[in-house]
Amino acid sequence: DVKVTQSSRYLVKRTGEKVFLECVQDMDHENMFWYRQDPGLGLRLIYFSYDVKMKEKGDIPEGYSVSREKKERFSLILESASTNQTSMYLCASSTDRGSGEKLFFGSGTQLSVL
Amino acid sequence: GQNIDQPTEMTATEGAIVQINCTYQTSGFNGLFWYQQHAGEAPTFLSYNVLDGLEEKGRFSSFLSRSKGYSYLLLKELQMKDSASYLCAVGNYGQNFVFGPGTRLSVLP
Repeated sequence: DVKVTQSSRYLVKRTGEKVFLECVQDMDHENMFWYRQDPGLGLRLIYFSYDVKMKEKGDIPEGYSVSREKKERFSLILESASTNQTSMYLCASSTDRGSGEKLFFGSGTQLSVL
Repeated sequence: GQNIDQPTEMTATEGAIVQINCTYQTSGFNGLFWYQQHAGEAPTFLSYNVLDGLEEKGRFSSFLSRSKGYSYLLLKELQMKDSASYLCAVGNYGQNFVFGPGTRLSVLP
């Protein structure tokens, strides 16, 4: 089975802190994604990546950056955390670019910014 | 844009059939996906429609009409474990997916 692992299940940070959310997948997938999920808003795409060192902005990239130095790892960075970034963050991966292949999700990181 | 609408909540009885609708406005997409998400867990893939029509997968079926901008997920012989949120998503060329707000389904005994 494909496994997408997120480093933390729950995280509490203070306003202004730099926050790193790590995601690792073990199936050699080319594509990786970061979403945030908020009640009533569904999943919203922050950033995605098709390949190592490649990144594309999603719908809500402001306040976030990403890093993909290795194919299996995709990191989401909150440069200066704010309370409106309190959310559930979901990482996902997929393969077969361009054919609408399904997403495999990690179990999520519930981030609280105080 | 790709505005996707789903009902917020639905309730159904164990053993019954329920249809969860999804409407969208989009300039074009590769496929329409349905995901299931139990509370506190990650979404998992349920079904995928590329062409118009019905795709059947056991107790779950999904329908797509591109001309009407409409899809639905049909769940038969409902079980208590089907209580979850159901997410409709549009998959675009280039692999960025856009999700609807999700429908929370409660199955009652």
